[in-house]
Amino acid sequence: DGGITQSPKYLFRKEGQNVTLSCEQNLNHDAMYWYRQDPGQGLRLIYYSQIVNDFQKGDIAEGYSVSREKKESFPLTVTSAQKNPTAFYLCASRGTVSSYEQYFGPGTRLTVT
Amino acid sequence: GDSVTQMEGPVTLSEEAFLTINCTYTATGYPSLFWYVQYPGEGLQLLLKATKADDKGSNKGFEATYRKETTSFHLEKGSVQVSDSAVYFCALSVNTGGFKTIFGAGTRLFVKA
Repeated sequence: DGGITQSPKYLFRKEGQNVTLSCEQNLNHDAMYWYRQDPGQGLRLIYYSQIVNDFQKGDIAEGYSVSREKKESFPLTVTSAQKNPTAFYLCASRGTVSSYEQYFGPGTRLTVT
Repeated sequence: GDSVTQMEGPVTLSEEAFLTINCTYTATGYPSLFWYVQYPGEGLQLLLKATKADDKGSNKGFEATYRKETTSFHLEKGSVQVSDSAVYFCALSVNTGGFKTIFGAGTRLFVKA
């Protein structure tokens, strides 16, 4: 089955620690995205990548970093510089140039205390 | 700039009631329009889409028509079920000077038995 996997489903960290969220896709999609979702709110774009070895900041990139060394993988690091890291993080991918819909992973809920 | 506005929730209905969730948009260029659904604790799933004016997207009894004259893409279902309880997101995607997707804030739907 093709799809997007995010792991782990739940993640707990102490304040001041960096943490990396995994996102893997086997859809052969070029573009990948990271969104943050806070309770009762919509999605905010953190970073996106249209092609391997290239990525751009989204609307709320401060305190986050990404890499895109392989087409299938787009990990997100939440650094200690992120002021309010507790949130639900969603990874998504998009296929060809003519295909506009995004496919989402199941999400990772990060709690920082 | 480009934006999506959808009705605030929560929307509470009894089973078999008629559902409408309003969505309007502003966009440069010619956007594609989408409705995504998010069940509790999960990622978003594409529910339906429309890529040009007067197109009707439909899936699982849900429908939405791309109305360019009123810049709207309202979601409707004739008879809701308890299993339709979820958060619904309206979104647009456009590729003018770079691809982007804009999501609405989401509308939570509760369906009572």
